[in-house]
Amino acid sequence: GAGVSQSPSNKVTEKGKDVELRCDPISGHTALYWYRQSLGQGLEFLIYFQGNSAPDKSGLPSDRFSAERTGGSVSTLTIQRTQQEDSAVYLCASSLGGGRDTQYFGPGTRLTVL
Amino acid sequence: SQQGEEDPQALSIQEGENATMNCSYKTSINNLQWYRQNSGRGLVHLILIRSNEREKHSGRLRVTLDTSKKSSSLLITASRAADTASYFCATDSSGGSYIPTFGRGTSLIVHP
Repeated sequence: GAGVSQSPSNKVTEKGKDVELRCDPISGHTALYWYRQSLGQGLEFLIYFQGNSAPDKSGLPSDRFSAERTGGSVSTLTIQRTQQEDSAVYLCASSLGGGRDTQYFGPGTRLTVL
Repeated sequence: SQQGEEDPQALSIQEGENATMNCSYKTSINNLQWYRQNSGRGLVHLILIRSNEREKHSGRLRVTLDTSKKSSSLLITASRAADTASYFCATDSSGGSYIPTFGRGTSLIVHP
């Protein structure tokens, strides 16, 4: 079956512009996560959606970052007024249930802010 | 703060040798998982070990868990060049956190 997909795979933008990153989780997975990975670093948690519950936004680094998940499926991560330090690979993962289930990762979106 | 921390940060071996990576964590856990990442892209789940388990095998992979030392190890036997990747451990706290936290990873290079 289809895995987690993300689009675009690469995004180059200018400082100050807004960007939207998309994640399509595995069908039926109720949990969805966004992570950020800077070069040579581990994964930094950004936001977590579980079913119809309010998302856990505790990892978002600033109010320029926001995310939504429509219909319990597709999620969009939006970064407003991008800065050079936002450059990273943004990874999305989904799992069948909550955080104790295996996460399935998408290929990521590589964001470069010039 | 990072819950899981892998060591070494980098490991370089010859094909056929065994590779051992370690993960240490700070708080009690329910599960510990190992993931692999190629070329800075998506992670692939390798193996999950529960807190009441001490050892698990999957093909050439062997994972151990020592909850008294709050540590885990991943052993890859008879390594191949295709095993070259970064390896991460992820833990979820038994204290209620539902968000797995990842270490910085071990970068493994297997020379043919």
